[in-house]
Amino acid sequence: SQQGEEDPQALSIQEGENATMNCSYKTSINNLQWYRQNSGRGLVHLILIRSNEREKHSGRLRVTLDTSKKSSSLLITASRAADTASYFCATDGTSGTYKYIFGTGTRLKVLA
Amino acid sequence: GAVVSQHPSWVICKSGTSVKIECRSLDFQATTMFWYRQFPKQSLMLMATSNEGSKATYEQGVEKDKFLINHASLTLSTLTVTSAHPEDSSFYICSARKVSGRAFGPYNEQFFGPGTRLTVL
Repeated sequence: SQQGEEDPQALSIQEGENATMNCSYKTSINNLQWYRQNSGRGLVHLILIRSNEREKHSGRLRVTLDTSKKSSSLLITASRAADTASYFCATDGTSGTYKYIFGTGTRLKVLA
Repeated sequence: GAVVSQHPSWVICKSGTSVKIECRSLDFQATTMFWYRQFPKQSLMLMATSNEGSKATYEQGVEKDKFLINHASLTLSTLTVTSAHPEDSSFYICSARKVSGRAFGPYNEQFFGPGTRLTVL
């Protein structure tokens, strides 16, 4: 089952611009994680944000979480061509199973 | 660190054969591991939860007899695709949950393997 929906499905921007991706989920969560995946490769963990947190930063990445709206956003500032990848959010529910369910993903293309 | 490996990284097999994929947590113990499948240009779909010393829990629509999961130790889970067919060709990724000493609560760290690309001819 797919927990999260991400939008946009695809995003194309110029190098130096900011990229914003949104993730919405359906049930209450403990944690939300963002991952990057280059074509045909494994996942790279970006940020974990807990349900009691509202915002986290890591380098050029900024993640927000709004549990009342069941949504999260990932902002990449000053994007680079190397940021071209698919980005996924993943959420774990509160049922105690610890499993992460992935969103549909956003394909980001940064043009040099 | 927390490193998860998968073996093999890619495999090509003939239709009807069985293929075993290993997922290992290299520097931590994992009582729970998860298996995902990803088709081209799609997201990761959770297949099953692998529990050390007990039966795996499968997601709805995943055939238990088709995808055999064994979690024999705290550092190893295996996924066997039995009687593989071309439609089973996919990218299989595992994750391992790190036991952090916090039994419950909001802390749920999982680490993903690099994936195994299965091609069934």
